[in-house]
Amino acid sequence: AQSVTQPDIHITVSEGASLELRCNYSYGATPYLFWYVQSPGQGLQLLLKYFSGDTLVQGIKGFEAEFKRSQSSFNLRKPSVHWSDAAEYFCAVGAGGYQKVTFGTGTKLQVIP
Amino acid sequence: DVKVTQSSRYLVKRTGEKVFLECVQDMDHENMFWYRQDPGLGLRLIYFSYDVKMKEKGDIPEGYSVSREKKERFSLILESASTNQTSMYLCASSPSTSGANVLTFGAGSRLTVL
Repeated sequence: AQSVTQPDIHITVSEGASLELRCNYSYGATPYLFWYVQSPGQGLQLLLKYFSGDTLVQGIKGFEAEFKRSQSSFNLRKPSVHWSDAAEYFCAVGAGGYQKVTFGTGTKLQVIP
Repeated sequence: DVKVTQSSRYLVKRTGEKVFLECVQDMDHENMFWYRQDPGLGLRLIYFSYDVKMKEKGDIPEGYSVSREKKERFSLILESASTNQTSMYLCASSPSTSGANVLTFGAGSRLTVL
């Protein structure tokens, strides 16, 4: 069975600073990997996805993520954080079959002025 | 704009009540899902459906059932609500049975069971 680990429960960064959120997955085959963002009181919105090909993927709102098979990681990055990026971020891995997607426990991002 | 609509944003129910959470999508998606979201636990899959009248158990189906009579509608049912079912419930849909599809989520239904 697949699983996802997000080791950081809460991260605080200053506005304008760079950001990296960590994600490690466990899955026996080539995974489908996702990052979602959840603003307060909202559902989840897809930031980016990796299916195959180029291991560096670009997403919305200036986010990118890099798939590293050797490290079983899919870390999310942004070079300069904006106050509006404060939210909770979820990494997820997709399996085959009927599109079962397993989510990590989330990382809550706080942005300080 | 594509949408997944959850009819109730906030519900308060009493222990033992039967609870219906409704979800409707307008994207003609085959797959629909119910997740439960709790602090520190992330999202956990309760049930999913890949076709009308079809359903599959997710990781935490105990205490829940589902109904999918029409392609666009997927209902989550708590037959006898308990306080440990107080949670945020998220409905999602995706367009096919391949493993590569993206989930579109509703805004969530926050259920409190007293």
